[in-house]
Amino acid sequence: DIVMTQSPDSLAVSLGERATINCKSSQSVLNSSNFKNYLAWYQQKPGQPPKLLIYWATTRESGVPDRFSGSGSVTDFTLTISSLQAEDVAVYYCQQYYTTPQTFGQGTKVEIK
Amino acid sequence: QVQLVESGAEVKKPGTSVKVSCKASGYTFTSYYIHWVRQAPGQGLEWMGIINPSAGSTTYAQKFQGRVTMTRDTSMSTVYMELSSLRSEDTAVYYCAREGWGGKPFDYWGQGSLVTVSS
Repeated sequence: DIVMTQSPDSLAVSLGERATINCKSSQSVLNSSNFKNYLAWYQQKPGQPPKLLIYWATTRESGVPDRFSGSGSVTDFTLTISSLQAEDVAVYYCQQYYTTPQTFGQGTKVEIK
Repeated sequence: QVQLVESGAEVKKPGTSVKVSCKASGYTFTSYYIHWVRQAPGQGLEWMGIINPSAGSTTYAQKFQGRVTMTRDTSMSTVYMELSSLRSEDTAVYYCAREGWGGKPFDYWGQGSLVTVSS
């Protein structure tokens, strides 16, 4: 199985400041035939299901604010919130969907400092 | 609009089975795969398996092989996930999620169904 490891486990950021979450996969999730990284990011608020933010490592889901961006390739990925808003307080998960079993990172809790 | 509506919360005794339903609406049911993901209280997300609603074919995570069965009823636009031989560690919220077009990951999720396993 591909192990997804996120860092940090939690972070506190001031409103309007940048938040950065890292995700590392134990194996490449880059498909060399289509040059796509099978890496997604989700946001989960208490009592709600996860919400898709980013897929193919860098593509923002429709309706997701442009302060959210994804970067990285092969095994190392980053989710950046450029200017943290109060409504961004949540747990964020990365996911590889390159192979089954699909696997998730352990989650990163983002709070307001 | 796309909706996935799951069945209600259940309390089960150890050793028994539970069957969770996920009713889809707002799109062509047979055109999109459905996955099941669970989340134990205060924990992360765990992928359980996938069903192709058109063919009925399934792939399960090895961890659940032999205990999980995913089925569908195309006339009802509903998929089901049955988990047997329940133990306390199976206490979790169970989500169904739709795989998006062209391999895009989970773009729509059900609201979740809490299954509590307790004697």
